[in-house]
Amino acid sequence: GAGVSQTPSNKVTEKGKYVELRCDPISGHTALYWYRQSLGQGPEFLIYFQGTGAADDSGLPNDRFFAVRPEGSVSTLKIQRTERGDSAVYLCASSRGGARGETQYFGPGTRLLVL
Amino acid sequence: AQSVAQPEDQVNVAEGNPLTVKCTYSVSGNPYLFWYVQYPNRGLQFLLKYITGDNLVKGSYGFEAEFNKSQTSFHLKKPSALVSDSALYFCAVRVPHGGDKLVFGAGTILRVKS
Repeated sequence: GAGVSQTPSNKVTEKGKYVELRCDPISGHTALYWYRQSLGQGPEFLIYFQGTGAADDSGLPNDRFFAVRPEGSVSTLKIQRTERGDSAVYLCASSRGGARGETQYFGPGTRLLVL
Repeated sequence: AQSVAQPEDQVNVAEGNPLTVKCTYSVSGNPYLFWYVQYPNRGLQFLLKYITGDNLVKGSYGFEAEFNKSQTSFHLKKPSALVSDSALYFCAVRVPHGGDKLVFGAGTILRVKS
């Protein structure tokens, strides 16, 4: 079956602009995660959805970052007033949810470059 | 705080030789441990995980890992390396009582030379 998909694959924007990054999880997966991977580092957790609600948003760096999952499937990560430090690869993952230790399956990521 | 350490930035091994990529963790409670592999311009691919039970876990592509509670380690191993195994490897731990988020190590580059 299809894996996690993310669009766009690359996004170049200017400092101060607004961007939206989309994630389409594996069909039937109730849990969805956003991570950010900076160059030379491991992914860092941003936010976790169980269904439509954000179960844990403790990783969002500040109030410029926001994410939604209105119908419990597709999620959008929104970044306002982008800064050069926001440049990174944004990874989305999904899992079946419910049980502990469920495997998270990752999408290919969106590479964001803020000029 | 929960953390994962991958002490080697890079591991070099000859094709056909055994390989080990090291991972140690620091977490309160029983850890759930994962290994992922990342190829250039690709997302992370799941290799294997330890939840409970047998300390030796077998995963995809001939990889295995051994959970060692006393040494707080979860090293990734393969008996015979392939050139195609060359990639970036990440160890991760699920945070107990912290939802389902994963904490990742910084990654280890594996280079297998023919």
